[in-house]
Amino acid sequence: QQPVQSPQAVILREGEDAVINCSSSKALYSVHWYRQKHGEAPVFLMILLKGGEQKGHDKISASFNEKKQQSSLYLTASQLSYSGTYFCGTEPTIGGGGADGLTFGKGTHLIIQP
Amino acid sequence: DAGVIQSPRHEVTEMGQEVTLRCKPISGHDYLFWYRQTMMRGLELLIYFNNNVPIDDSGMPEDRFSAKMPNASFSTLKIQPSEPRDSAVYFCASSPRDGGPVNEKLFFGSGTQLSVL
Repeated sequence: QQPVQSPQAVILREGEDAVINCSSSKALYSVHWYRQKHGEAPVFLMILLKGGEQKGHDKISASFNEKKQQSSLYLTASQLSYSGTYFCGTEPTIGGGGADGLTFGKGTHLIIQP
Repeated sequence: DAGVIQSPRHEVTEMGQEVTLRCKPISGHDYLFWYRQTMMRGLELLIYFNNNVPIDDSGMPEDRFSAKMPNASFSTLKIQPSEPRDSAVYFCASSPRDGGPVNEKLFFGSGTQLSVL
């Protein structure tokens, strides 16, 4: 089942912060985050595994709450280059550790204005 | 490394015609995935292969769709006959998945924009 992302769209000024949420109805083994710019392929940002870890990548970080089956992506002091559509991809626990294809949410459109 | 290579980039065809999309994964990657992207449904997993063997094709919409991976460096997705509702961007992605979870990230190709008139 497709994870639910919120919000659907965000418009920010450069330097502002944003949070994108991803929730699943299934117990999760991992959550992936990807960014896609218009007309391009999705590009990997990070993976979070069950265990409630948090990761950071420059000014982009994420958390994973396996009990709530939720993940959040945090963009701090946003830059123009952060514009794009952000997708979370989930891998359910049932079926083993990481043997299945990802199920992606519908995406969150992020627009950064100067 | 050239990355995942897909061809063609754009395909325009008429309803009823056969369409073949091609993908060359990154050398050494054991997993290959086919995804379809539309505005309405987002990114949908169609099928994936492990070591050239189809593992899960439950996402293939109907029998008009078929996929093959004859060797480690080539895969095709075929639609026969094509219909206007098949219009979408089709992505191929590969993944190494040989070292545990850290290697599960997907490397996407540039996609094929398919328009069926």
